[in-house]
Amino acid sequence: EAGVAQSPRYKIIEKRQSVAFWCNPISGHATLYWYQQILGQGPKLLIQFQNNGVVDDSQLPKDRFSAERLKGVDSTLKIQPAKLEDSAVYLCASSLGNYRGLTYEQYFGPGTRLTVT
Amino acid sequence: DAKTTQPNSMESNEEEPVHLPCNHSTISGTDYIHWYRQLPSQGPEYVIHGLTSNVNNRMASLAIAEDRKSSTLILHRATLRDAAVYYCILRTIQGAQKLVFGQGTRLTINP
Repeated sequence: EAGVAQSPRYKIIEKRQSVAFWCNPISGHATLYWYQQILGQGPKLLIQFQNNGVVDDSQLPKDRFSAERLKGVDSTLKIQPAKLEDSAVYLCASSLGNYRGLTYEQYFGPGTRLTVT
Repeated sequence: DAKTTQPNSMESNEEEPVHLPCNHSTISGTDYIHWYRQLPSQGPEYVIHGLTSNVNNRMASLAIAEDRKSSTLILHRATLRDAAVYYCILRTIQGAQKLVFGQGTRLTINP
């Protein structure tokens, strides 16, 4: 079974530039997550999709970050304009779903390491 | 979200058992206890989860205290590949069921 795919793996940009990350979840997984992991910290959830609808985006800095999941499969996360503090690893994860009373593990991709200079 | 407390770091020797503790005194009845680990330069990976009873799988065992206020992840025979940051996370079965990662425990395995 193929895992969660992410691209690019590494990206270096200057502040105020824009950047986009792409994620392809495991086939059949309804739920998709984007996390931000700053060096030395645990991952922090930015946004969660159930199919193509947003379930939780309470920690997404909406003035500069946006995400979409068209057709309920692939997803893109965009930052515009980037700030120095956005330097981090951006992780995508997917799971079978989120259904009341059931819990499914999340499968993570390798992440995209973003450096903002 | 209910919080967990883990030691910042632990060290063990190869081929010995490792017991990773986690305290979660404010756990609610709908919270599952999940463990994930993150190897260097990789995304986190699922290890095990449980609700009330002890659980075993091919990777590890999870021992849950009777009052559910603490749990222990047990690696029965550590290998160098088990060196990672281990996260203990409470995940409610209600709502969005998101994972809230803390600092985790950095496990070092000595050869």
